[in-house]
Amino acid sequence: SQELEQSPQSLIVQEGKNLTINCTSSKTLYGLYWYKQKYGEGLIFLMMLQKGGEEKSHEKITAKLDEKKQQSSLHITASQPSHAGIYLCGGEMADRGSTLGRLYFGRGTQLTVWP
Amino acid sequence: DGGITQSPKYLFRKEGQNVTLSCEQNLNHDAMYWYRQDPGQGLRLIYYSQIVNDFQKGDIAEGYSVSREKKESFPLTVTSAQKNPTAFYLCASSRRSGSSNYGYTFGSGTRLTVV
Repeated sequence: SQELEQSPQSLIVQEGKNLTINCTSSKTLYGLYWYKQKYGEGLIFLMMLQKGGEEKSHEKITAKLDEKKQQSSLHITASQPSHAGIYLCGGEMADRGSTLGRLYFGRGTQLTVWP
Repeated sequence: DGGITQSPKYLFRKEGQNVTLSCEQNLNHDAMYWYRQDPGQGLRLIYYSQIVNDFQKGDIAEGYSVSREKKESFPLTVTSAQKNPTAFYLCASSRRSGSSNYGYTFGSGTRLTVV
């Protein structure tokens, strides 16, 4: 079973358009991470959210965590070809009722931005 | 600069062979992780270690083994028992605070191919 559900699986947008990627957890999140990945490369850290209702922005990317800490969204404003890649959400949650200490990941969203 | 180094970047294995993937970090992080990535599946946890000389199985540990003799190093051995080892392998590390981890950092990955 997938602990984190990420949607959509793929996204194709025209340059300049806005877009949103969603990440939903079945459990309360103690930390939610957003990463970007180019195919065949490592993960680049984008943002981390921990508090319910928290929102962070960096350049044209904004990430939010809902009050219940079970859902996060990543929003890109005025997309550019440089935004293309795979976006992954990773969440830390209580592992089978015991201690924290690992990240669960969604399946990723493949973003294509065409000029 | 501190970071995580994975080697080699590409690795080819004959069927029936064991191979070892290297992961070294100089971030002074307590915890280290191995993930496997297959197309469309996101990242799945193989093994993780919160402290030296201790490690836990993740979700797909069968056919893999690890050791954590030093804080800086967490090598992964893919054994001949792993029936489908062709994949992209990512190593990560994080700081530990209480029962939670933060500051997850990823290496650049090793692509393993069975020939």
